[in-house]
Amino acid sequence: RKEVEQDPGPFNVPEGATVAFNCTYSNSASQSFFWYRQDCRKEPKLLMSVYSSGNEDGRFTAQLNRASQYISLLIRDSKLSDSATYLCVVDDMRFGAGTRLTVKP
Amino acid sequence: EPEVTQTPSHQVTQMGQEVILRCVPISNHLYFYWYRQILGQKVEFLVSFYNNEISEKSEIFDDQFSVERPDGSNFTLKIRSTKLEDSAMYFCASTWLEGGELFFGEGSRLTVL
Repeated sequence: RKEVEQDPGPFNVPEGATVAFNCTYSNSASQSFFWYRQDCRKEPKLLMSVYSSGNEDGRFTAQLNRASQYISLLIRDSKLSDSATYLCVVDDMRFGAGTRLTVKP
Repeated sequence: EPEVTQTPSHQVTQMGQEVILRCVPISNHLYFYWYRQILGQKVEFLVSFYNNEISEKSEIFDDQFSVERPDGSNFTLKIRSTKLEDSAMYFCASTWLEGGELFFGEGSRLTVL
């Protein structure tokens, strides 16, 4: 079983759509969870930390479910500029393969 | 805003040559990492470094790889004898807290011919 698994997509959605990504992790002792965004041929950049209580930043909502060992990212009212690959990262060392999102006009 | 800087941005080398990739982490950060990303593939953890020693390394980080923090500023990744399959983007990252937000450099693209 892979340590961190993500649906690779691609997700192709129209502007204004709501899209959700999930990520599962294998190590129940994991402590830190993040979503990063990576644009083509660029470095990953932090999008959000993920907490059990859930956290929201504008159009983005992240959630952690420790019992089921998955984290989620919800993007509401998607913009063209949201087009990127979204990386689930656990404990700073375990990266998901990334989910590619394309938002179309 | 403080940032992680990496040099060179692109290096082309012949198979079998030694390569040193350099990183200057953010100054008050304590944990340092190297990752690689082969074109079109996922980001892969190579090694983490704390308190002047390796704290964890992946199976990719074999005897051909080494890391150093020679002067309290630079953090280097050395590949002793490059192979074709070492061609990738190498990212350095740092953080001040274990498990905290990673700050990435822009990466060094290595091409092995």
